[in-house]
Amino acid sequence: GQNIDQPTEMTATEGAIVQINCTYQTSGFNGLFWYQQHAGEAPTFLSYNVLDGLEEKGRFSSFLSRSKGYSYLLLKELQMKDSASYLCAVRDRGATNKLIFGTGTLLAVQP
Amino acid sequence: DSGVTQTPKHLITATGQRVTLRCSPRSGDLSVYWYQQSLDQGLQFLIQYYNGEERAKGNILERFSAQQFPDLHSELNLSSLELGDSALYFCASSRSGGAPDTQYFGPGTRLTVL
Repeated sequence: GQNIDQPTEMTATEGAIVQINCTYQTSGFNGLFWYQQHAGEAPTFLSYNVLDGLEEKGRFSSFLSRSKGYSYLLLKELQMKDSASYLCAVRDRGATNKLIFGTGTLLAVQP
Repeated sequence: DSGVTQTPKHLITATGQRVTLRCSPRSGDLSVYWYQQSLDQGLQFLIQYYNGEERAKGNILERFSAQQFPDLHSELNLSSLELGDSALYFCASSRSGGAPDTQYFGPGTRLTVL
């Protein structure tokens, strides 16, 4: 079966650091994506991990451990505009590029 | 702006009706994906087309169908609509169909079934 778990909601303070976790149990795995989605808008791509380790991109970093079925997204120097849902998605193995999404983590950044 | 366009932005219709949602991929992208996002669920993969042919199918209802045309735009047809079909429908596109390309999402069509 396919199961991707993320916390439903998180709250953090402007300027701080927050870590959003994602655990997955999927029948196949060929990479993990993180997307940001503001309410009512399109998801926008943040990061992609296929090998174990940390990928850093400005204020955002993403980590993957394939043996543990675990990833996290780290957001530094939080800004109010970072208030959004953060979606973890696993790419299915095989000839397609099908993504299986978690239900997302709604992050509220407070002043 | 991802470069993926979707029309219409909003659609309000009645139960039992049929609607067509349209998507144009980014220039150069050959693959189109359709997703449904309702309030109580995350993004659910419906179907993928690559260069005009169906590549992968998710939990797409039999009342729903899609196609990709020679100019690579895609249409999602929803028929015999039910209240539960009310959702945001997103289209995404990527360069190819099998590599781990990034999928870029369009702005979505909000469908309300009354």
